[in-house]
Amino acid sequence: DQQVKQNSPSLSVQEGRISILNCDYTNSMFDYFLWYKKYPAEGPTFLISISSIKDKNEDGRFTVFLNKSAKHLSLHIVPSQPGDSAVYFCAASVGGADGLTFGKGTHLIIQP
Amino acid sequence: GAGVSQSPSNKVTEKGKDVELRCDPISGHTALYWYRQSLGQGLEFLIYFQGNSAPDKSGLPSDRFSAERTGGSVSTLTIQRTQQEDSAVYLCASSLMGQGYHTFGSGTRLTVV
Repeated sequence: DQQVKQNSPSLSVQEGRISILNCDYTNSMFDYFLWYKKYPAEGPTFLISISSIKDKNEDGRFTVFLNKSAKHLSLHIVPSQPGDSAVYFCAASVGGADGLTFGKGTHLIIQP
Repeated sequence: GAGVSQSPSNKVTEKGKDVELRCDPISGHTALYWYRQSLGQGLEFLIYFQGNSAPDKSGLPSDRFSAERTGGSVSTLTIQRTQQEDSAVYLCASSLMGQGYHTFGSGTRLTVV
């Protein structure tokens, strides 16, 4: 069973607009959540994280929102830029130290 | 080095052969992880090393898979008697204790023919 789900395999957004990527999880023990970005033939690159004691974390154009009651998190990118085109993975962990549980990823395409 | 280094970047092997994949973590990182990404799938956790503690092997899919970490640094993932379903990108990552996020290498693309 998939404990971290990204239900949109792909998302197309116009340059300059907001990109919203969604992620749901089922394991209530998860207390640390991360977003990674991956270009083809490269390893994933860490973007932003959030602890379960917060509901929002912001870093420049990237903001992650966490809704613990709904077991849902989202990544907002604003404004979207062509270089943001990549696959975005949501990940979660218990305690922030052990192996991460990843979703299957969402391919974000920024249209000029 | 500055980043996590993995070798080889690509490996084609015949079914039934053994393969070894190597990972050089970031210097000073105490934690080292192996993941794999099969086609169309997310990253699947395989094994985790933290300092001198016994590794967490809970993600290894079968006893054909093993890994070791020598001297708290370099790690080798070994797959014995490879099968076609072992074809995937194998990713290594490392982190500082308590850092939360991992830094990944570029991976080894394994193709079993």
